[in-house]
Amino acid sequence: AQKITQTQPGMFVQEKEAVTLDCTYDTSDQSYGLFWYKQPSSGEMIFLIYQGSYDEQNATEGRYSLNFQKARKSANLVISASQLGDSAMYFCAMREGLGGSGSARQLTFGSGTQLTVLP
Amino acid sequence: EAGVAQSPRYKIIEKRQSVAFWCNPISGHATLYWYQQILGQGPKLLIQFQNNGVVDDSQLPKDRFSAERLKGVDSTLKIQPAKLEDSAVYLCASSLGNRGGNYNEQFFGPGTRLTVL
Repeated sequence: AQKITQTQPGMFVQEKEAVTLDCTYDTSDQSYGLFWYKQPSSGEMIFLIYQGSYDEQNATEGRYSLNFQKARKSANLVISASQLGDSAMYFCAMREGLGGSGSARQLTFGSGTQLTVLP
Repeated sequence: EAGVAQSPRYKIIEKRQSVAFWCNPISGHATLYWYQQILGQGPKLLIQFQNNGVVDDSQLPKDRFSAERLKGVDSTLKIQPAKLEDSAVYLCASSLGNRGGNYNEQFFGPGTRLTVL
Protein backbone atom coordinates (compact mmCIF):
# COMPACT_ATOMS: atom_id res chain seq x y z
CA ALA A 1 0.00 0.00 0.00
CA GLN A 2 1.17 3.50 -0.80
CA LYS A 3 2.36 5.29 2.30
CA ILE A 4 2.65 8.69 0.64
CA THR A 5 0.26 9.75 -2.11
CA GLN A 6 0.69 12.81 -4.27
CA THR A 7 -2.23 12.91 -6.69
CA GLN A 8 -1.09 15.86 -8.81
CA PRO A 9 1.56 14.81 -11.34
CA GLY A 10 1.76 18.38 -12.63
CA MET A 11 0.60 21.81 -11.54
CA PHE A 12 0.74 25.25 -13.13
CA VAL A 13 0.61 28.54 -11.24
CA GLN A 14 0.90 32.14 -12.29
CA GLU A 15 3.84 34.07 -10.90
CA LYS A 16 3.04 35.85 -7.60
CA GLU A 17 0.02 33.64 -6.91
CA ALA A 18 -0.24 30.99 -4.19
CA VAL A 19 -0.34 27.27 -4.92
CA THR A 20 -1.18 24.19 -2.85
CA LEU A 21 0.48 20.84 -3.47
CA ASP A 22 -1.42 17.89 -2.05
CA CYS A 23 -0.02 15.06 0.03
CA THR A 24 -1.80 12.32 1.96
CA TYR A 25 -0.07 9.69 4.04
CA ASP A 26 -0.82 6.36 5.63
CA THR A 27 0.69 5.12 8.88
CA SER A 28 -0.40 3.34 12.02
CA ASP A 29 2.40 4.97 14.02
CA GLN A 30 1.51 7.81 16.38
CA SER A 31 4.98 9.30 16.09
CA TYR A 32 6.12 10.40 12.67
CA GLY A 33 7.55 13.31 10.76
CA LEU A 34 6.49 14.79 7.45
CA PHE A 35 8.87 16.55 5.07
CA TRP A 36 8.71 18.43 1.82
CA TYR A 37 11.66 18.51 -0.57
CA LYS A 38 12.21 20.46 -3.77
CA GLN A 39 14.15 18.90 -6.64
CA PRO A 40 15.12 21.30 -9.46
CA SER A 41 16.18 19.98 -12.85
CA SER A 42 19.78 19.94 -11.61
CA GLY A 43 18.81 16.99 -9.42
CA GLU A 44 19.68 17.92 -5.85
CA MET A 45 17.07 17.44 -3.13
CA ILE A 46 16.48 20.64 -1.19
CA PHE A 47 14.75 20.43 2.18
CA LEU A 48 11.85 22.89 2.53
CA ILE A 49 9.79 22.23 5.65
CA TYR A 50 9.14 19.72 8.45
CA GLN A 51 6.07 18.86 10.54
CA GLY A 52 6.14 16.48 13.51
CA SER A 53 3.04 14.47 14.31
CA TYR A 54 2.75 16.04 17.76
CA ASP A 55 3.31 19.61 16.59
CA GLU A 56 0.14 21.55 17.32
CA GLN A 57 0.82 24.41 14.97
CA ASN A 58 1.30 24.21 11.24
CA ALA A 59 4.93 24.61 10.21
CA THR A 60 6.01 27.71 8.29
CA GLU A 61 9.32 28.56 6.63
CA GLY A 62 9.30 31.84 4.75
CA ARG A 63 6.98 31.48 1.75
CA TYR A 64 6.35 27.82 2.57
CA SER A 65 3.71 26.59 4.96
CA LEU A 66 2.43 23.12 5.68
CA ASN A 67 -1.32 22.61 6.08
CA PHE A 68 -1.32 19.68 8.50
CA GLN A 69 -4.66 17.94 9.02
CA LYS A 70 -3.88 14.96 11.21
CA ALA A 71 -7.34 13.41 11.25
CA ARG A 72 -7.44 13.43 7.46
CA LYS A 73 -3.80 12.34 7.23
CA SER A 74 -2.93 15.15 4.89
CA ALA A 75 0.11 17.43 4.80
CA ASN A 76 -0.33 19.86 1.95
CA LEU A 77 2.40 22.32 1.01
CA VAL A 78 1.37 25.90 0.37
CA ILE A 79 3.74 28.18 -1.53
CA SER A 80 2.78 31.83 -1.36
CA ALA A 81 3.78 34.46 -3.91
CA SER A 82 5.18 31.97 -6.42
CA GLN A 83 8.42 32.83 -8.19
CA LEU A 84 9.84 31.55 -11.46
CA GLY A 85 12.59 29.82 -9.48
CA ASP A 86 9.97 27.71 -7.73
CA SER A 87 9.52 25.65 -10.89
CA ALA A 88 10.72 22.18 -9.87
CA MET A 89 9.62 18.74 -8.74
CA TYR A 90 8.22 18.67 -5.19
CA PHE A 91 8.26 15.56 -3.03
CA CYS A 92 6.36 14.83 0.15
CA ALA A 93 8.06 12.33 2.46
CA MET A 94 7.35 10.64 5.77
CA ARG A 95 9.54 9.17 8.45
CA GLU A 96 7.88 6.83 10.92
CA GLY A 97 9.36 7.43 14.35
CA LEU A 98 10.54 10.41 16.34
CA GLY A 99 13.49 11.00 18.60
CA GLY A 100 16.50 8.78 19.22
CA SER A 101 16.80 5.94 16.76
CA GLY A 102 13.34 6.69 15.38
CA SER A 103 14.44 9.98 13.92
CA ALA A 104 17.23 8.25 11.98
CA ARG A 105 14.88 6.03 10.02
CA GLN A 106 14.48 6.19 6.27
CA LEU A 107 12.27 8.63 4.44
CA THR A 108 9.44 7.23 2.32
CA PHE A 109 8.74 9.50 -0.62
CA GLY A 110 5.70 10.14 -2.76
CA SER A 111 5.85 10.19 -6.55
CA GLY A 112 6.16 13.96 -6.69
CA THR A 113 4.41 16.93 -8.27
CA GLN A 114 6.00 18.89 -11.10
CA LEU A 115 5.29 22.58 -10.48
CA THR A 116 5.62 25.08 -13.30
CA VAL A 117 5.43 28.80 -12.53
CA LEU A 118 4.24 30.85 -15.48
CA PRO A 119 5.44 34.44 -16.04
CA GLU B 1 29.99 23.58 6.11
CA ALA B 2 30.66 21.29 3.14
CA GLY B 3 27.68 19.32 1.87
CA VAL B 4 27.38 15.68 0.89
CA ALA B 5 29.79 14.87 -1.93
CA GLN B 6 29.18 12.23 -4.58
CA SER B 7 31.13 11.02 -7.57
CA PRO B 8 30.92 10.50 -10.41
CA ARG B 9 28.05 12.77 -11.40
CA TYR B 10 27.29 10.77 -14.53
CA LYS B 11 28.09 7.25 -15.65
CA ILE B 12 27.17 5.34 -18.79
CA ILE B 13 27.82 1.60 -18.94
CA GLU B 14 26.62 -1.41 -20.86
CA LYS B 15 24.51 -4.10 -19.24
CA ARG B 16 26.45 -6.77 -17.38
CA GLN B 17 29.25 -4.33 -16.63
CA SER B 18 30.16 -3.23 -13.11
CA VAL B 19 29.99 0.26 -11.63
CA ALA B 20 30.79 1.90 -8.31
CA PHE B 21 29.62 5.13 -6.74
CA TRP B 22 31.27 7.05 -3.94
CA CYS B 23 29.76 9.22 -1.22
CA ASN B 24 31.36 11.43 1.42
CA PRO B 25 28.79 12.58 4.01
CA ILE B 26 28.79 15.76 6.04
CA SER B 27 31.43 15.63 8.74
CA GLY B 28 30.07 14.25 11.99
CA HIS B 29 26.98 12.69 10.46
CA ALA B 30 26.56 9.20 11.84
CA THR B 31 23.82 8.01 9.51
CA LEU B 32 24.29 7.52 5.78
CA TYR B 33 21.60 6.55 3.28
CA TRP B 34 21.69 5.40 -0.33
CA TYR B 35 18.52 6.03 -2.32
CA GLN B 36 17.64 4.98 -5.87
CA GLN B 37 15.48 7.38 -7.87
CA ILE B 38 14.06 6.01 -11.11
CA LEU B 39 12.89 8.63 -13.60
CA GLY B 40 9.45 9.95 -12.71
CA GLN B 41 9.45 8.44 -9.21
CA GLY B 42 10.41 9.47 -5.72
CA PRO B 43 13.64 8.20 -4.15
CA LYS B 44 13.58 4.71 -2.64
CA LEU B 45 15.94 3.63 0.12
CA LEU B 46 18.46 0.97 -0.82
CA ILE B 47 20.57 0.82 2.33
CA GLN B 48 21.10 2.73 5.57
CA PHE B 49 24.25 2.78 7.70
CA GLN B 50 24.65 3.90 11.29
CA ASN B 51 28.38 4.60 11.62
CA ASN B 52 29.87 1.56 9.88
CA GLY B 53 27.02 -0.84 10.58
CA VAL B 54 24.06 -1.65 8.35
CA VAL B 55 20.70 -0.61 9.83
CA ASP B 56 18.39 -1.44 6.94
CA ASP B 57 19.17 -3.14 3.64
CA SER B 58 15.81 -4.81 3.12
CA GLN B 59 15.30 -3.17 -0.29
CA LEU B 60 18.81 -3.73 -1.61
CA PRO B 61 18.96 -6.31 -4.45
CA LYS B 62 21.76 -8.22 -2.81
CA ASP B 63 22.41 -10.48 -5.77
CA ARG B 64 23.89 -7.54 -7.64
CA PHE B 65 24.17 -4.56 -5.31
CA SER B 66 26.62 -4.17 -2.47
CA ALA B 67 27.60 -1.28 -0.25
CA GLU B 68 30.11 -0.61 2.46
CA ARG B 69 31.00 2.18 4.82
CA LEU B 70 34.43 1.43 6.11
CA LYS B 71 35.57 3.48 9.12
CA GLY B 72 32.09 4.97 9.40
CA VAL B 73 32.77 7.90 7.09
CA ASP B 74 32.58 7.65 3.32
CA SER B 75 30.72 4.91 1.49
CA THR B 76 30.72 3.07 -1.81
CA LEU B 77 27.79 1.48 -3.61
CA LYS B 78 28.53 -1.14 -6.25
CA ILE B 79 26.43 -2.80 -8.92
CA GLN B 80 27.72 -6.01 -10.47
CA PRO B 81 26.45 -6.91 -13.03
CA ALA B 82 24.27 -3.99 -14.07
CA LYS B 83 20.87 -4.45 -15.70
CA LEU B 84 18.91 -2.06 -17.88
CA GLU B 85 16.44 -1.41 -15.04
CA ASP B 86 19.27 -0.08 -12.87
CA SER B 87 19.25 3.14 -14.89
CA ALA B 88 18.44 5.78 -12.28
CA VAL B 89 19.87 8.54 -10.13
CA TYR B 90 21.63 7.25 -7.03
CA LEU B 91 21.34 9.70 -4.17
CA CYS B 92 23.41 9.66 -1.03
CA ALA B 93 22.14 11.42 2.09
CA SER B 94 23.43 11.85 5.62
CA SER B 95 22.05 12.92 8.97
CA LEU B 96 23.17 13.28 12.56
CA GLY B 97 21.41 10.02 13.34
CA ASN B 98 20.29 9.25 16.85
CA ARG B 99 21.57 12.59 18.10
CA GLY B 100 19.51 14.53 15.61
CA GLY B 101 16.32 14.94 17.64
CA ASN B 102 12.87 14.81 16.10
CA TYR B 103 13.85 17.06 13.23
CA ASN B 104 17.01 15.24 12.12
CA GLU B 105 17.08 16.54 8.59
CA GLN B 106 18.59 14.38 5.88
CA PHE B 107 21.01 16.27 3.64
CA PHE B 108 21.29 14.99 0.09
CA GLY B 109 24.20 14.94 -2.30
CA PRO B 110 23.88 15.93 -5.99
CA GLY B 111 23.41 12.31 -7.07
CA THR B 112 24.99 10.06 -9.68
CA ARG B 113 22.99 9.59 -12.86
CA LEU B 114 23.54 6.05 -14.17
CA THR B 115 22.56 5.01 -17.67
CA VAL B 116 22.75 1.31 -18.53
CA LEU B 117 22.70 0.57 -22.27
